Amino acid sequence: GQQVMQIPQYQHVQEGEDFTTYCNSSTTLSNIQWYKQRPGGHPVFLIQLVKSGEVKKQKRLTFQFGEAKKNSSLHITATQTTDVGTYFCARAGGTSYGKLTFGQGTILTVHP
Amino acid sequence: DTGVSQDPRHKITKRGQNVTFRCDPISEHNRLYWYRQTLGQGPEFLTYFQNEAQLEKSRLLSDRFSAERPKGSFSTLEIQRTEQGDSAMYLCASSLGSRVEAGELFFGEGSRLTVL
Repeated sequence: GQQVMQIPQYQHVQEGEDFTTYCNSSTTLSNIQWYKQRPGGHPVFLIQLVKSGEVKKQKRLTFQFGEAKKNSSLHITATQTTDVGTYFCARAGGTSYGKLTFGQGTILTVHP
Repeated sequence: DTGVSQDPRHKITKRGQNVTFRCDPISEHNRLYWYRQTLGQGPEFLTYFQNEAQLEKSRLLSDRFSAERPKGSFSTLEIQRTEQGDSAMYLCASSLGSRVEAGELFFGEGSRLTVL
């Protein structure tokens, strides 16, 4: 269907360690978006990936879109306490391209 | 502040009562979305508008839920005969979408509903 599965559901890391979350779909994605939600906050857009095999970087964050456009990943290098939050991927789909369906998210905890 | 604003931020109501939430999107955005989020879950799509037209509504949404965007600007989400299972954070978002993509969603702070 139109679901995206995210793994892991939880990740605890020590500050300075790397972190990766994965987003998987059984069907081809037209594009994928990533959002971050801080505890008690609202989702904030990070990036959109459109092209097969695309890689985009934002400082310590690296986003990848799979060659088959069925999966995506977000990698954070050398985590900091400010990286704490839940990371969601979201796919377009439905009867119109405007509908965005979110994954269940990966909750990242960073221990100082 | 020119972001997405939602009102009220918190609502406590008794089971069976009706509630209405309002969302004021970013003014130049053509798309407006309503999502529901419960603890530990991702935002669950409810419905979205392009200008004043409601383009899609979740099949999981009961007929107790109705949303409007009468002039293509602000939107209201009404829940009739509330149930305890309706307790959640109701998030509104807006975007400048095109024919082939949603665009970047800008979320409001949300309206938290508690049904007693």
